[in-house]
Amino acid sequence: KQEVTQIPAALSVPEGENLVLNCSFTDSAIYNLQWFRQDPGKGLTSLLLIQSSQREQTSGRLNASLDKSSGRSTLYIAASQPGDSATYLCAIYSGYALNFGKGTSLLVTP
Amino acid sequence: SAVISQKPSRDICQRGTSLTIQCQVDSQVTMMFWYRQQPGQSLTLIATANQGSEATYESGFVIDKFPISRPNLTFSTLTVSNMSPEDSSIYLCSVDEGWNYGYTFGSGTRLTVV
Repeated sequence: KQEVTQIPAALSVPEGENLVLNCSFTDSAIYNLQWFRQDPGKGLTSLLLIQSSQREQTSGRLNASLDKSSGRSTLYIAASQPGDSATYLCAIYSGYALNFGKGTSLLVTP
Repeated sequence: SAVISQKPSRDICQRGTSLTIQCQVDSQVTMMFWYRQQPGQSLTLIATANQGSEATYESGFVIDKFPISRPNLTFSTLTVSNMSPEDSSIYLCSVDEGWNYGYTFGSGTRLTVV
């Protein structure tokens, strides 16, 4: 069974900092990896989708990388803003349904 | 990508009662997925709903507790039956938009059972 781990569980940074969120998974036989954002008590917003054949994807200030051989993905957020405060979830699709990590709770302070 | 309307957004319910959550998608989709997110935990798949057939439930989830309907390709409901405080969670529906778009989620239903 695919296990997905996200480190750190929580992170607090001052506005303007660049930061990296980590996601690791145990089975490298994946189809794709998706990063989501979740605001408190709300649903999930898709941020980036990386196919298994890709190494990275970029959208605005966000960059996600994928290294299947080592079972790792990172989400890089440049020039963080208070509006980036949320929980970030990593999810793996291995052919049936998504397997989620527990998320990283990010707080960006003004 | 698809837009999913999920209702209600939140509810506070008495133990022993039932709540039905609705998800409406703005396009036709083959499969819809229902997830539960308990406080402080990640998302757990409850069941997969195909139109015209019974839902497929994951280990630990049963139809009597979480009956699901899928009357057409754009709509599904999940009922949480005979609720207890342990059912207090966020419930989310989702669709798979395929290779290029991944999964899209509804806005979630925050359920509190008192």
